Amino acid sequence: DTGVSQNPRHKITKRGQNVTFRCDPISEHNRLYWYRQTLGQGPEFLTYFQNEAQLEKSRLLSDRFSAERPKGSFSTLEIQRTEQGDSAMYLCASSLVSGNTEAFFGQGTRLTVV
Amino acid sequence: KNQVEQSPQSLIILEGKNCTLQCNYTVSPFSNLRWYKQDTGRGPVSLTIMTFSENTKSNGRYTATLDADTKQSSLHITASQLSDSASYICVVSVGRFQTGANNLFFGTGTRLTVIP
Repeated sequence: DTGVSQNPRHKITKRGQNVTFRCDPISEHNRLYWYRQTLGQGPEFLTYFQNEAQLEKSRLLSDRFSAERPKGSFSTLEIQRTEQGDSAMYLCASSLVSGNTEAFFGQGTRLTVV
Repeated sequence: KNQVEQSPQSLIILEGKNCTLQCNYTVSPFSNLRWYKQDTGRGPVSLTIMTFSENTKSNGRYTATLDADTKQSSLHITASQLSDSASYICVVSVGRFQTGANNLFFGTGTRLTVIP
């Protein structure tokens, strides 16, 4: 257990439905990252927060995706009008803002869109 | 363009044998390089992290090397065990911590299978 918690672990949804995932980072970590990982690939960056500020978003983050970190603690990632191509593992990681700091990953949320 | 490439893509070895995984990167400016182990269906777990000035670091049966001049790293696994079967991901960090930019670049991983 790395200390980063993600819920749910698995989600199966019908195409067109909205889904929301939650990430609880290590409490003192002020950086939080979201990644998407498909089978056989490394994680792809989606977005990242420093405290409550969303500092960067990947082009992968279409307008159907939105992420929040309202109080600089936990974060949510919402996907609206899900598509089958959204099926993937969604990983959250957290770290401190300092040189050479470690990034700790959660166990991920496996999304299957049917 | 910042890139991290890993080889081989997959590897099968017998239990008890050693193996070496490779990582080449073009990330600049370099801050550190990390190796993660990712079991199927789980999040990555850190094995080692190395800065520019470090050229080798061990964690049990895992030894990572870094050549910052050639921008290459390797992960050597000694006396492999069945539990070593996983994906091994190389991650290079860009030295832009203060700007707030995304600073982690991932390789696609090497899928290692250890067979009895």
